[in-house]
Order: sequence, then C-alpha cells, then structure tokens
Amino acid sequence: EAQVTQNPRYLITVTGKKLTVTCSQNMNHEYMSWYRQDPGLGLRQIYYSMNVEVTDKGDVPEGYKVSRKEKRNFPLILESPSPNQTSLYFCASSLFGTINNEQFFGPGTRLTVL
Amino acid sequence: GENVEQHPSTLSVQEGDSAVIKCTYSDSASNYFPWYKQELGKGPQLIIDIRSNVGEKKDQRIAVTLNKTAKHFSLHITETQPEDSAVYFCAAPTGAGSYQLTFGKGTKLSVIP
Repeated sequence: EAQVTQNPRYLITVTGKKLTVTCSQNMNHEYMSWYRQDPGLGLRQIYYSMNVEVTDKGDVPEGYKVSRKEKRNFPLILESPSPNQTSLYFCASSLFGTINNEQFFGPGTRLTVL
Repeated sequence: GENVEQHPSTLSVQEGDSAVIKCTYSDSASNYFPWYKQELGKGPQLIIDIRSNVGEKKDQRIAVTLNKTAKHFSLHITETQPEDSAVYFCAAPTGAGSYQLTFGKGTKLSVIP
C-alpha cells in the first residue's frame, strides 16, 4: 500500500531531551516536507527536501533539523525541545518538487514537551 | 510571500444543504490552488485543485471556483453528508517559483444529520 508513515504517533518528553521523529514513504517521491499544525494557525511548513541531500527551510524552521540521506526517509530532529514545540506534526511527500503535485500526508505525530 | 486568508473558521450546515468556504490570496502570480480535507485523527488529503487557466472545476458534489481578478477561490460542497464533516484547508504557492504551499488556517465543517 502506498503510504507515508511516521513514528512515533504520540510522544511526551521533557525540555532539552533530544528526539527524532521518523518519516518514510514507499512511493519513490522526490519531494518531502514537514509541517506543524497548531490550533488557529493551520499548517505551517518547517523544512522541505527536493531530493536526496537537498533540504531547505520552510516558514518555521527554528529549533528543528532535518536530513535526507535516502530518498524514502526524512527524519525531523529536535536537538533541544522546548514547550513551544508542543504540536501536531505531519510529514508529507509528493512525486516531484513542483508545487502543483498532490502532497500525501502521514498520519501525524502528536508531541508534548513538558 | 503569499498570504492566504480562509473564511469561515467554523461552519455548520444541515445534511443536504450546500457549504461554501472562501479563500483569498495576495500574490497575483499564484497559479495553483488545492483544497485539502482533514478528517479527525488523520492527515490532510487532497480533494480537489484548480490551476489559474480555468475558472471552475467540478468533481461530483465538490467544485472549486477561481476569480483571479479578485484573487479569491472557493470550495463548494453540494448535498452535504455527515461524512463531509472535517477540517478543510485551502492553499496557494508561497511565491513565484516557490516549492512551498501556504495554507489557510482551516475551516471546521459540521454537517448536522
């Protein structure tokens, strides 16, 4: 089944404890992206990747890191999480890096930073 | 960059009635406008999109209209059903040549049986 998977789905952690949220797609998509969703703010892009080893900042990149060493994986790294990073995170992918391609979203990761 | 405003933030309709959600954008060069539906506990899913060379596109009970002069586009759902209850997001390219989408803040649609 073609899909985007994220792990973990739920995570509660404490301030400053490094964490990684994994994202994987099995559709051979070139473009991958991370969004955060907060009440009243909609979806805001954190980072995106046009292809392997090519990443760029989105609208809210502060406090996050990403890497794209393989085409299928795009992990999101929080080196020192803070409470303001408590949010619902979505990974997405699309076939090409052009904007008029459908983005396929993962099921989301709900992160709570205490 | 692009600014996308979406209204209303919440919308309740009776089953069988129509629902309309409107979005405005700021960048006149924007040329692609998707709509995503997010059901409870799931990620958003594309339901329809429109490119700037057409004014309207339909897919069964769903339609999107685009007014480039006024820089707004709308989602129309006819004969609403309870399964249409969800959060809907509009989006537009973040800027000319951009590989990013700017999303509206979302509309929570409730269809009352």
